[in-house]
Amino acid sequence: DAGVTQSPTHLIKTRGQQVTLRCSPKSGHDTVSWYQQALGQGPQFIFQYYEEEERQRGNFPDRFSGHQFPNYSSELNVNALLLGDSALYLCASSLADSGKLFFGSGTQLSVL
Amino acid sequence: AQSVTQLGSHVSVSEGALVLLRCNYSSSVPPYLFWYVQYPNQGLQLLLKYTSAATLVKGINGFEAEFKKSETSFHLTKPSAHMSDAAEYFCAVITNTGNQFYFGTGTSLTVIP
Repeated sequence: DAGVTQSPTHLIKTRGQQVTLRCSPKSGHDTVSWYQQALGQGPQFIFQYYEEEERQRGNFPDRFSGHQFPNYSSELNVNALLLGDSALYLCASSLADSGKLFFGSGTQLSVL
Repeated sequence: AQSVTQLGSHVSVSEGALVLLRCNYSSSVPPYLFWYVQYPNQGLQLLLKYTSAATLVKGINGFEAEFKKSETSFHLTKPSAHMSDAAEYFCAVITNTGNQFYFGTGTSLTVIP
């Protein structure tokens, strides 16, 4: 049984570009959350998707957007990249409000 | 508002010694509290979870944590450190709706042979 998978594992972009990160949840999970983890920091909540809708959002600008597909997989899009967007982006899946997150290994984004 | 504070960004212990990683929470309602571990270049793995069923929670790899309401603490302990325990540890609290986790800033554990 595959856990949470994320792609790509590493990505290098330049300022102003756009990026799309992808996540496939653990089998049987219907909820996907995205977190940003800057170097030396704890993960910060970006948003959560359930039933293909954004259910809750953290304190991130509109440049960060997402999508959930009918198969529960999800994308995170970031527009107009800034140097400060460089971080590890973690996807976590869960079953509804079970309160138990399973994390992927993350996508390391570097913005030059 | 809910939050957690981890005291000590770096902790070093000798192999075989007691591990104690500190976490204090701030919550207006009884919280759900978690400890996660992150190994280099990996995502976070759940160690244990407190949901008010019992104040002493046992997790994986010999770790346990005790919920103390009077001290608003949820410290993580392990009686005897192994080299494989070297990693980053995060304490987290969940919102009432269960939709959003708030993580601490993490504690890096080094185990000295």
